[in-house]
Amino acid sequence: EVQLVESGGGLVQPGGSLRLSCAASGVTFRSYEMSWVRQAPGKGLEWVSYISSSGSSIFYADSVKGRFTISRDNVKNSLYLQMSSLRAEDTAVYYCASVQTKAVLVFDDWGQGTLVTVSS
Amino acid sequence: DIQMTQSPSSLSASVGDRVTITCRASQSISTNLNWYQQKPGKAPKLLIYAASSLQSGVPSRFSGSGSETDFTLTISSLQPEDFATYYCQQSFSTPLFTFGPGTKVDIK
Repeated sequence: EVQLVESGGGLVQPGGSLRLSCAASGVTFRSYEMSWVRQAPGKGLEWVSYISSSGSSIFYADSVKGRFTISRDNVKNSLYLQMSSLRAEDTAVYYCASVQTKAVLVFDDWGQGTLVTVSS
Repeated sequence: DIQMTQSPSSLSASVGDRVTITCRASQSISTNLNWYQQKPGKAPKLLIYAASSLQSGVPSRFSGSGSETDFTLTISSLQPEDFATYYCQQSFSTPLFTFGPGTKVDIK
């Protein structure tokens, strides 16, 4: 089991940028595939981005492609999400989650989430 | 893109009731379907993976079934701690994941 703690959320103006971090502990982080999943207030879950264990394979949801960048530092046991050109519709709680294989890929461990509010 | 739908969007039930939630995929996803439970203010929790496999530590009153496009999550006897929102999620088109819109289970 991996413990995940997100940080970096806050209030940002439309068009602005923000960088989220997710610190992992308890396991060999470099072995884990990771994702960001978000949840707008009162809404459902939306997968945002995926990164392989080495960082060589990256995917994004269409809603954030070209604006968000996922990355990781396996020495610092950390996952990041650089968000730019932010819009009101990006307002959400952002969770980092480990992606593990249990016959199929699942989101197994989750952080507590960090709230991003995009508003003027 | 694979779209996921769930029904109902919400339901009211009593402790001890049998509850069934349905999830449908827009195309066949074999058994690449997972179920999560989320309580207010908390992160989601994995309940069922690969359509019917129970995650370690999850009570046996939870079960999943289905394949291809139609799936169900069943709670055999609803307990007070089961009042939550339940989401299905497809892992067929990985790593492009999709969640269903959720089903809220509240107290009648």
